[in-house]
Amino acid sequence: GQQLNQSPQSMFIQEGEDVSMNCTSSSIFNTWLWYKQDPGEGPVLLIALYKAGELTSNGRLTAQFGITRKDSFLNISASIPSDVGIYFCAGLLPNTGNQFYFGTGTSLTVIP
Amino acid sequence: SAVISQKPSRDICQRGTSLTIQCQVDSQVTMMFWYRQQPGQSLTLIATANQGSEATYESGFVIDKFPISRPNLTFSTLTVSNMSPEDSSIYLCSVEDDRAGYTFGSGTRLTVV
Repeated sequence: GQQLNQSPQSMFIQEGEDVSMNCTSSSIFNTWLWYKQDPGEGPVLLIALYKAGELTSNGRLTAQFGITRKDSFLNISASIPSDVGIYFCAGLLPNTGNQFYFGTGTSLTVIP
Repeated sequence: SAVISQKPSRDICQRGTSLTIQCQVDSQVTMMFWYRQQPGQSLTLIATANQGSEATYESGFVIDKFPISRPNLTFSTLTVSNMSPEDSSIYLCSVEDDRAGYTFGSGTRLTVV
C-alpha cells in the first residue's frame, strides 16, 4: 500500500509550547485529513483539506495542504494537557474511490 | 456527522475461537469500512462493505479469515475467525461522512491468548 511518512514519531513538549508535525509521500493526494486518537478511542477528525495550498484552522489547530500535493502539516499552538494523544494524517489518492491511506502517527505528550 | 456504535469495546479470546464485532450507524450509509490497528501502529484497511454485495478485501486480508456481513444500510459485522495471538489488535469500523473523510467507531480492543 501507499506509504505516508509522518514525523516526528513522538514529541514531548511543555504546556504552552507550539507543536508542528508533517506528513509526506511520494504520491500526489487529492485530500488530506488530520485525525487525533485518544487512548481506547477511535480517531476523531480534526481538519480536512481539499485543495493544494489550502490553509485551514480549527481553534488552536492549523493544517495546510502542500503545494506539491505530496505533503501536509499540522500545527498546534499553545498546547494544553488535553492535546495528548496520537495524531494521524490520512490521504486520498486520485482515482481510488474512497480509500484513505493513513500515516504512521505522531504521539504527543504535553508536560504540565 | 454520523454516530457509530461499535461493540464489544474489548474482549479477551482463546486462540482458535472466533469473535464477531458489530457496528451500528445512526444513519443510512452506502459504504462501511473495517480497519485494523495493530499495537502501536497506524490504521490498515481490511475491507469495504457495501450493502447487498460481497465485501471488497484489501491485499493481505481474506474472506475466510475476516468474513463481513452488511445486511442493511446501517449495520455491519466483522468476524475474526480462528484467532491467533497475531490477531490481537484494535478493530475499527468507519463510514464516509460526506466530504469530511471518515467517522470512526470507538473500536474493539481484541486480545487473543
